[in-house]
Amino acid sequence: AQSVAQPEDQVNVAEGNPLTVKCTYSVSGNPYLFWYVQYPNRGLQFLLKYITGDNLVKGSYGFEAEFNKSQTSFHLKKPSALVSDSALYFCAVRPPGSWGKFQFGAGTQVVVTP
Amino acid sequence: SAVISQKPSRDICQRGTSLTIQCQVDSQVTMMFWYRQQPGQSLTLIATANQGSEATYESGFVIDKFPISRPNLTFSTLTVSNMSPEDSSIYLCSVRTASGGKLFFGSGTQLSVL
Repeated sequence: AQSVAQPEDQVNVAEGNPLTVKCTYSVSGNPYLFWYVQYPNRGLQFLLKYITGDNLVKGSYGFEAEFNKSQTSFHLKKPSALVSDSALYFCAVRPPGSWGKFQFGAGTQVVVTP
Repeated sequence: SAVISQKPSRDICQRGTSLTIQCQVDSQVTMMFWYRQQPGQSLTLIATANQGSEATYESGFVIDKFPISRPNLTFSTLTVSNMSPEDSSIYLCSVRTASGGKLFFGSGTQLSVL
């Protein structure tokens, strides 16, 4: 069975510092990997995805993520965090052939302080 | 991309009543899904809304409790029936586009059952 783990409930970072949100997965085959962000009282917004190719994926709002097959990880990163990045971040995996059945992680609350 | 309008955005309901949530997409999409996000938790897939046929429900969700309609390729409804306080959640409509394979989400319906 597939699973997605986000080991940190919350990440605290000062504005201007690098931000990392961790995600590991367990799935058969080569998965499609995604990051979404949820602001208060809003739906989820797509940040980036990895399907194949370059392990470093660049997405919206200056975020990027690195796919590491050997460690089955897909950590989200931003070189310099902004206060406006404070939100709830979800990692998701879509196993090959599963069409729309995404498996979401538990979410990581990011708090960026001025 | 896809723009999804979901309504109502929030509602407070009495135990034993039912609420129907509407989801309208600005383009025709094959795959439409309903997710539940319980307080402080991740997203759980309720069902896949199939156009012209019965919805496909995930384990733990049944049609009598969560009847779904999908009359065409741009619209779906989810009904939460015979509600109890345990149904208090955010309910999210999402669609998967053919190109890119990512999910787009509506802004969600915040349901509180008293």
